[in-house]
Amino acid sequence: EVQLVESGGGLVQPGGSLRLSCAASGFTFRSYAMSWVRQAPGKGLEWVSDISGSGDGTDYADSVKGRFTISRDNSKNTLYLQMNSLRADDTAVYYCAKSPSFTVTTVIDYWGQGTLVTVSS
Amino acid sequence: QSALTQPPSASGSPGQSVTISCTGSSSDVGGYNHVSWFQVHPGKAPKLMIYEVTKRPSGVPDRFSGSKSGNTASLTVSGLQAEDEADYYCSSYAGRNNLVFGGGTKLTVL
Repeated sequence: EVQLVESGGGLVQPGGSLRLSCAASGFTFRSYAMSWVRQAPGKGLEWVSDISGSGDGTDYADSVKGRFTISRDNSKNTLYLQMNSLRADDTAVYYCAKSPSFTVTTVIDYWGQGTLVTVSS
Repeated sequence: QSALTQPPSASGSPGQSVTISCTGSSSDVGGYNHVSWFQVHPGKAPKLMIYEVTKRPSGVPDRFSGSKSGNTASLTVSGLQAEDEADYYCSSYAGRNNLVFGGGTKLTVL
């Protein structure tokens, strides 16, 4: 059974940093691209970033480019999202998500339950 | 404002059919056959219900079906059941390794 368990969310001040983690199990982690998707309170889903199975290819939404960094440790079956220079509009539930492809994410087939990030003073 | 437009709500009685629309552009929905639909129950992880416009993952009832015409995709739920009450989101590949989503539709089973 595929399981994706996010951690690392919490309250952070504007301008601060936070690192999210996603522990994956139930599949061959290194074989699949992974993504982060977020949902701000009362809003729809927003794709944030993705990374290829090898970790060589990454991409970012314009709203987070230059501030967020996605990475993965295939030896630990773990996905990360380093978030710097956080702003109030980054407040959201952040979901870890799996693609059925090694490279391009055209669809998400499994999601975690999400971790809440609140940016506020 | 979400990239894809969905109606905020939809409803139907048990046994009826309901269709939820998802409107984008030629850069996403109309340009690729990579439209997906997700079901989200409160406090639960989203669940993939439809992918590549019409395909159902293993375990998804055939009461759920998808279609697309031009820049608009649709999810139809036939034979509505109480457990179908949830939020539904569409997504589409938009090129350059980018996924876009709809704002979500709250489906109520009356």
